[in-house]
Amino acid sequence: EAGVAQSPRYKIIEKRQSVAFWCNPISGHATLYWYQQILGQGPKLLIQFQNNGVVDDSQLPKDRFSAERLKGVDSTLKIQPAKLEDSAVYLCASSLGGPRQGSGNTIYFGEGSWLTVV
Amino acid sequence: AQSVTQPDIHITVSEGASLELRCNYSYGATPYLFWYVQSPGQGLQLLLKYFSGDTLVQGIKGFEAEFKRSQSSFNLRKPSVHWSDAAEYFCAVGAPSNFGNEKLTFGTGTRLTIIP
Repeated sequence: EAGVAQSPRYKIIEKRQSVAFWCNPISGHATLYWYQQILGQGPKLLIQFQNNGVVDDSQLPKDRFSAERLKGVDSTLKIQPAKLEDSAVYLCASSLGGPRQGSGNTIYFGEGSWLTVV
Repeated sequence: AQSVTQPDIHITVSEGASLELRCNYSYGATPYLFWYVQSPGQGLQLLLKYFSGDTLVQGIKGFEAEFKRSQSSFNLRKPSVHWSDAAEYFCAVGAPSNFGNEKLTFGTGTRLTIIP
């Protein structure tokens, strides 16, 4: 079974530039998450989608971050304009979604997109 | 709101020795608890999870964790570590969402170093 795919793996940009990250979840997974992991910290949820609708974006800095999942499959996370403090790993994750299965739905993570803002 | 505390930032263990990584959580209801491992440059891999039932949970790679409600803890253990266990370990608590999926809150992680 293919895992969660993310691209690009690494990106270096100057502050005030824009960047976009792409995620392809595991086939059939209705729920998609974007997490931000700053060096030395645990991942923090930015946004959660259920199919193509937003479930939770309470921690997404909406003045500069945006995300979409137009057809309920792939997703794009955009940062514009980037700040130095946006340097982090952006992790995409997915799960089946829907009613909880027996022991719960497992969330699967991609390898992440590493962003450095200089 | 839920939170997770991992008191140990860095732990060094000799290969073959036993391991225990600490995790304390704060959550208003019955928690859903997870341990993930992250190797350098990699994403997060699920080691084990607790939803209900038996408080001793077995995971992959020989890891286990015990849920202790009275202590609000979910410590990770392994009887004998291997050099390949060197990684960052994250404990997480899950809050059920309207769609039956857990929204995870992570701790800050514990970095495990293995020495020969």
